[in-house]
Amino acid sequence: EDQVTQSPEALRLQEGESSSLNCSYTVSGLRGLFWYRQDPGKGPEFLFTLYSAGEEKEKERLKATLTKKESFLHITAPKPEDSATYLCAVQAYNFNKFYFGSGTKLNVKP
Amino acid sequence: SAVISQKPSRDICQRGTSLTIQCQVDSQVTMMFWYRQQPGQSLTLIATANQGSEATYESGFVIDKFPISRPNLTFSTLTVSNMSPEDSSIYLCSVGLTSYEQYFGPGTRLTVT
Repeated sequence: EDQVTQSPEALRLQEGESSSLNCSYTVSGLRGLFWYRQDPGKGPEFLFTLYSAGEEKEKERLKATLTKKESFLHITAPKPEDSATYLCAVQAYNFNKFYFGSGTKLNVKP
Repeated sequence: SAVISQKPSRDICQRGTSLTIQCQVDSQVTMMFWYRQQPGQSLTLIATANQGSEATYESGFVIDKFPISRPNLTFSTLTVSNMSPEDSSIYLCSVGLTSYEQYFGPGTRLTVT
């Protein structure tokens, strides 16, 4: 069965304290792995798509990487405005359906 | 990307009534999806809205409870029927683009009393 597991559930960082979020997945034939940011009361905002192992994408303080079993979202020198829930999702080749993880709630303290 | 709007943004409804949520996209898209996000939870796919044919529902969701319309390539509606407090959630529509990415609307926050 296709599954996505995110860890940790919650993460508290001091401003400037770098860290990583993990997304482990099992899927029959990965078409893509997607990272989203969700602020309270809003819809998920698209961040990155990763298609194959070894691929990396960067956007400001965020960097996403992909292996055959997991993806990491690295946050370098975070700021309070990076506080949000980060969701990952996977899509298999045979389906258009996204399987979402439960998310990591990030809180960055000034 | 795509710009997606939803109406209403929030509503408080009485038990036993129905609510129709609208989703409008600023460009023609083939794939539209409806999700539910219960408080503190992640997203659960309700159904895929197909233009010109019936929606495809995920396990645990039925057409009688969540009828969906997709009259054209820029619009879809989701109705939550015969509501109970357990239906209190955020309902989100999304669109799938050719690059397989999905973009989400702002959501409709539904409270059933």
